[in-house]
Amino acid sequence: AQSVTQPDIHITVSEGASLELRCNYSYGATPYLFWYVQSPGQGLQLLLKYFSGDTLVQGIKGFEAEFKRSQSSFNLRKPSVHWSDAAEYFCAVGVNSGYSTLTFGKGTMLLVSP
Amino acid sequence: GAGVSQSPSNKVTEKGKDVELRCDPISGHTALYWYRQSLGQGLEFLIYFQGNSAPDKSGLPSDRFSAERTGGSVSTLTIQRTQQEDSAVYLCASSLGDGTAFFGQGTRLTVV
Repeated sequence: AQSVTQPDIHITVSEGASLELRCNYSYGATPYLFWYVQSPGQGLQLLLKYFSGDTLVQGIKGFEAEFKRSQSSFNLRKPSVHWSDAAEYFCAVGVNSGYSTLTFGKGTMLLVSP
Repeated sequence: GAGVSQSPSNKVTEKGKDVELRCDPISGHTALYWYRQSLGQGLEFLIYFQGNSAPDKSGLPSDRFSAERTGGSVSTLTIQRTQQEDSAVYLCASSLGDGTAFFGQGTRLTVV
C-alpha cells in the first residue's frame, strides 16, 4: 500500500521569502502525485499534479513541484510567499491506474509572518 | 453544478442518533470518495466508488458506517448510533477516474 510523509507539521515563512514544503511517498511503481491546499473552513483545492513526463510541474498561484524518483519526493516550492498563502498543504499519492484511491499526508500548516 | 456539493454544511446530533450526509458530485465524474478529517489527523480515507465497480469500503472504521451511491451520481454516507469520536469534518470528492479529486466544502459533524 502507498503512504505519504510530510515531515514538517508547521512552517513559518516571512512574506516575500521562498518556500519549500517536503513530501516523501512510498509506492512500488510510478505514482500519481498531488498537492492540495486547504484554507480554514474550506475544502481542499488542487494546486498541481504529476502523472508522467516533465518532472517539474507548474500549478496555480505560482506554485511548482518537482518529482524526484531517486528520492521518492515531490516537494512543493514557491519563490515568493504572500500572506494569502497561509493555509494547510496536503501531499497525496494515487495509484497509477484507472482505479485510484488517494492517500494523503498529515499536512503542513504554513504560517506567513509580516 | 459547477462543483462538488455537500449537505448539510454543519450537523449537530445527539450521541446514539443516526445521521445521513449527502454528496452531489460533479456531473460526469465516475469516481467518488469520502474522507474524514479530524483535528491533527489529516485525511482518513473512508470509501471509494468507481463507476459500476464494487465500492472500496476498506477505510470504513466500523459497521456503523455505510455509504451508497445511487444512479452513479449522488452519494449518502450514513453513520448509525453516532459516538463522540465520530465528530469530524466529512469530505466528499469526485473525479473522472484519474485520481484528480475535486473536493466539496465538507460537512462538520458534532456529536454531543
